[in-house]
Amino acid sequence: NAGVTQTPKFRVLKTGQSMTLLCAQDMNHEYMYWYRQDPGMGLRLIHYSVGEGTTAKGEVPDGYNVSRLKKQNFLLGLESAAPSQTSVYFCASSYWRGGHDEQFFGPGTRLTVL
Amino acid sequence: DAKTTQPNSMESNEEEPVHLPCNHSTISGTDYIHWYRQLPSQGPEYVIHGLTSNVNNRMASLAIAEDRKSSTLILHRATLRDAAVYYCILRDTYSGAGSYQLTFGKGTKLSVIP
Repeated sequence: NAGVTQTPKFRVLKTGQSMTLLCAQDMNHEYMYWYRQDPGMGLRLIHYSVGEGTTAKGEVPDGYNVSRLKKQNFLLGLESAAPSQTSVYFCASSYWRGGHDEQFFGPGTRLTVL
Repeated sequence: DAKTTQPNSMESNEEEPVHLPCNHSTISGTDYIHWYRQLPSQGPEYVIHGLTSNVNNRMASLAIAEDRKSSTLILHRATLRDAAVYYCILRDTYSGAGSYQLTFGKGTKLSVIP
């Protein structure tokens, strides 16, 4: 199993450009998440999905959109990138069992917006 | 959400036990205590979780105070690979949509000395 993979690993954008980050998981997990991590800080949830075709806002959703057209993929879009979106983006997936889930994280995408 | 307090950093000698403390004085009865860790340049990974009783798994042990206002993650023999940021996270899995996210603080940076 590859687990959770993220594409691309690195990206540099100019202010106002758009891009899409792809997250894929091969564990058949229902739940998927997008987090961002700023330097020296913990992760913050951007959006999440509890199943194919569903999405919901997390703690810091502004400036981002997401789609979950297939169970195994969760896409994060930036329509008009801003320097404040410079961060490391982590995708995660999980299953729930017995009132608990264990989130599996990808390796991250380092995004710089100039 | 109930908050957690962790030391910013700790050091340990290789092959010695490490006790990582976490205070959560406002924990509610339905909050689970989760620990994740983040190795350098990687996404977080699940370590252990518990509610009231002490828990053991192949990675670590979790000791929970009787009043649940504090807990300790125990690494029985620290290795160089255990050098990471350790996050103590409270999670109320009964509160509906808001329970899906993991709320990361700044964690404890553990350094392991050879």
